[in-house]
Amino acid sequence: DTEVTQTPKHLVMGMTNKKSLKCEQHMGHRAMYWYKQKAKKPPELMFVYSYEKLSINESVPSRFSPECPNSSLLNLHLHALQPEDSALYLCASSQVQGAETYEQYFGPGTRLTVT
Amino acid sequence: SQKIEQNSEALNIQEGKTATLTCNYTNYSPAYLQWYRQDPGRGPVFLLLIRENEKEKRKERLKVTFDTTLKQSLFHITASQPADSATYLCALVNFGNEKLTFGTGTRLTIIP
Repeated sequence: DTEVTQTPKHLVMGMTNKKSLKCEQHMGHRAMYWYKQKAKKPPELMFVYSYEKLSINESVPSRFSPECPNSSLLNLHLHALQPEDSALYLCASSQVQGAETYEQYFGPGTRLTVT
Repeated sequence: SQKIEQNSEALNIQEGKTATLTCNYTNYSPAYLQWYRQDPGRGPVFLLLIRENEKEKRKERLKVTFDTTLKQSLFHITASQPADSATYLCALVNFGNEKLTFGTGTRLTIIP
């Protein structure tokens, strides 16, 4: 199984709401990632988890809170977002972080709209 | 400042011809460079990886070259087909920095 799944596919939330994005992989990968992608732009790295520990935080605002409950799951908790946070949020995984074979497997993304 | 630029935002190629996409980088010392394909509304899909000490890599109709002197990678699709239409992203990992950084992307359209 070489699939990364993400739920929900679409999410509309108000600026005062709290919601969570979920990501799951069963490839035995020990590195997991969150990216943000705006329209017609490349994905931008937000967070990296390596062996369930936060390894990289790209100075992301605290209204985004990642969590890695186990090696297969990755969550992104959202609170008090702004309209400019509307984007496609992509989850990815790789065997380990920084390994020679560094290909990443991406999920289909969650399309987030903040109203 | 660091930049990864792909030469064309959009590229139209006649079916059956070779499509060549360019990726140029500035102020990076990449350990390796990767190419991904992304279809609308989907996540990127890995295609090829080339290391800094490799000149060329091939996979079926795909070929990637990597010139660290020119700071450039070329991505070729031979015998192109309409199904090859997508956005193609180069991405690199710097030595000593384990983050994957993507280029600006090229939207390729193969015209029947």
